[in-house]
Amino acid sequence: DGGITQSPKYLFRKEGQNVTLSCEQNLNHDAMYWYRQDPGQGLRLIYYSQIVNDFQKGDIAEGYSVSREKKESFPLTVTSAQKNPTAFYLCASSISSGPTGELFFGEGSRLTVL
Amino acid sequence: KQEVTQIPAALSVPEGENLVLNCSFTDSAIYNLQWFRQDPGKGLTSLLLIQSSQREQTSGRLNASLDKSSGRSTLYIAASQPGDSATYLCAVYTGTASKLTFGTGTRLQVTL
Repeated sequence: DGGITQSPKYLFRKEGQNVTLSCEQNLNHDAMYWYRQDPGQGLRLIYYSQIVNDFQKGDIAEGYSVSREKKESFPLTVTSAQKNPTAFYLCASSISSGPTGELFFGEGSRLTVL
Repeated sequence: KQEVTQIPAALSVPEGENLVLNCSFTDSAIYNLQWFRQDPGKGLTSLLLIQSSQREQTSGRLNASLDKSSGRSTLYIAASQPGDSATYLCAVYTGTASKLTFGTGTRLQVTL
């Protein structure tokens, strides 16, 4: 089945550690996105990529990094510079990054900093 | 800056009732609007996508309407079922900013 796979589903991190969240899609979509979801807030865009080897910062990129070496993969690293990393992280993709693209989401990864 | 508001934040209805969820946005220069469903601890599932040139879209018991000039969209759910219990989010793609802005969602509970 086509879809987006995020792993791990749950992740615990000690302060000062970097962690990487995986996102893989087999939908043959060009555009991929990382969002952060906090209680009572709308989804906020961290980074997005329109094509392989290219990505742009979203609204809250500080303390995060990404790579897009393959079309199918868009991993997100939460670095120790991120002040408040405990959140639910969602990866999404669309056929293109333009306005007509319907967005498809993975199941999410919940990161907790101990 | 585009702002998307969903009121009410939570709603409880008995099974079988028809209901309407609201989404309003401040910048009418949108390309499209998308409605999503989110179950607890899960990702978002796309329900309906309405282009700015369209007035409504239908899928099964769901009907979404769009009034761009007034900055409003509604999601109508007919004959609600307990399985419809979830959080419903809307998101608008704004042309001026070339980005998607999400509302905070309406948490729906359908009771037996």
